[in-house]
Amino acid sequence: DVKVTQSSRYLVKRTGEKVFLECVQDMDHENMFWYRQDPGLGLRLIYFSYDVKMKEKGDIPEGYSVSREKKERFSLILESASTNQTSMYLCASSSEYSGRAGYDTQYFGPGTRLTVL
Amino acid sequence: DAKTTQPTSMDCAEGRAANLPCNHSTISGNEYVYWYRQIHSQGPQYIIHGLKNNETNEMASLIITEDRKSSTLILPHATLRDTAVYYCIVPSPHYGGSQGNLIFGKGTKLSVKP
Repeated sequence: DVKVTQSSRYLVKRTGEKVFLECVQDMDHENMFWYRQDPGLGLRLIYFSYDVKMKEKGDIPEGYSVSREKKERFSLILESASTNQTSMYLCASSSEYSGRAGYDTQYFGPGTRLTVL
Repeated sequence: DAKTTQPTSMDCAEGRAANLPCNHSTISGNEYVYWYRQIHSQGPQYIIHGLKNNETNEMASLIITEDRKSSTLILPHATLRDTAVYYCIVPSPHYGGSQGNLIFGKGTKLSVKP
């Protein structure tokens, strides 16, 4: 089974702090994603990466950065946390494009509920 | 992504089959239908996907109509642990490169009752 783990289930930080959210997958997947989920807004893509050291902006990249130094690890960084970044953060991974309609199954981690005070 | 419409909520008795419908009338010929679910406070979980043929795995069955404009996810013997929000998604390539983006709508909240 694919396993995607996230460093924390719950995190509380103060405004202005630098926050690191870590995600690790054990299936040698090429693609990794960071989403945030808010009530009424669904899941929104922040960044994704299709290879080591490669990254692409998603729908809402402002206030975030990412790092992918190793294939299995994708980090989300909040340079200076703000209260509007309080949310559930979800990491996902998927294998390389398989020739099927340009998409492959994404496997999600358990999520990190971040509260910024 | 092709737009999907699902009922907001459904109830199902424990042990009975849960049939969750989804309309995707604008789906194009090479787009797949995916189903995910999200149990409260957990990450979304992949269930099943299909193109035009019916599919079955250990979790569920997926029935796609011949015109592909709608589909039904079937949980054959629903348990209390199947209570979740179920999302029907038709993803398509969105960004540079081949990887599509998942657009989760509001889904169907399935409540399995004893």
